[in-house]
Amino acid sequence: DQQVKQNSPSLSVQEGRISILNCDYTNSMFDYFLWYKKYPAEGPTFLISISSIKDKNEDGRFTVFLNKSAKHLSLHIVPSQPGDSAVYFCAARRGGTSGSARQLTFGSGTQLTVLP
Amino acid sequence: ETGVTQSPTHLIKTRGQQVTLRCSSQSGHNTVSWYQQALGQGPQFIFQYYREEENGRGNFPPRFSGLQFPNYSSELNVNALELDDSALYLCASSLYAGIGEQFFGPGTRLTVL
Repeated sequence: DQQVKQNSPSLSVQEGRISILNCDYTNSMFDYFLWYKKYPAEGPTFLISISSIKDKNEDGRFTVFLNKSAKHLSLHIVPSQPGDSAVYFCAARRGGTSGSARQLTFGSGTQLTVLP
Repeated sequence: ETGVTQSPTHLIKTRGQQVTLRCSSQSGHNTVSWYQQALGQGPQFIFQYYREEENGRGNFPPRFSGLQFPNYSSELNVNALELDDSALYLCASSLYAGIGEQFFGPGTRLTVL
């Protein structure tokens, strides 16, 4: 049972345009969401996060939107740059303080390619 | 500030063998989590260690075990290796008390033949 889904395995956009990466989740107990990006031969790098009490969080070129009723979040990158080409993972965490609660549940990732 | 480091980088084992992977957490972090990432998949939670004790476990059999040491470094041990254990093993460190994000190491690529 995949609790976090990224239905697009890949996405290509032109440099300077907007990249929109999507993520859906099924577990209503998730209350914190994160995006990580991963380059080959490196571990995932934290990008941006959002708490379930918010619907938007912005950090420079990166904005994450959360629609709780639809159990959907998206990552917008504007403007996209060739260096943004990487695999992007959506992750979610339940509330609570136990280790099981604090585990991250990941989607399967979206390969973003930004074309110069 | 030192980031998360893992060793070895790559490892090749045969079915039935045992393997130990190592992780040094980021400076100041007291919690270590281990994840398995199969090809084409996202990372899957194996377990978490806090103050040298297991503090949560994912859906992995008991032949996956771990340790955390007083300096917060950690080991992942896998016994009776199976072909499906071939994956990238990621270690992530974090501050337990905070809602903070987990910081990942570069991973160990394990191949089981």
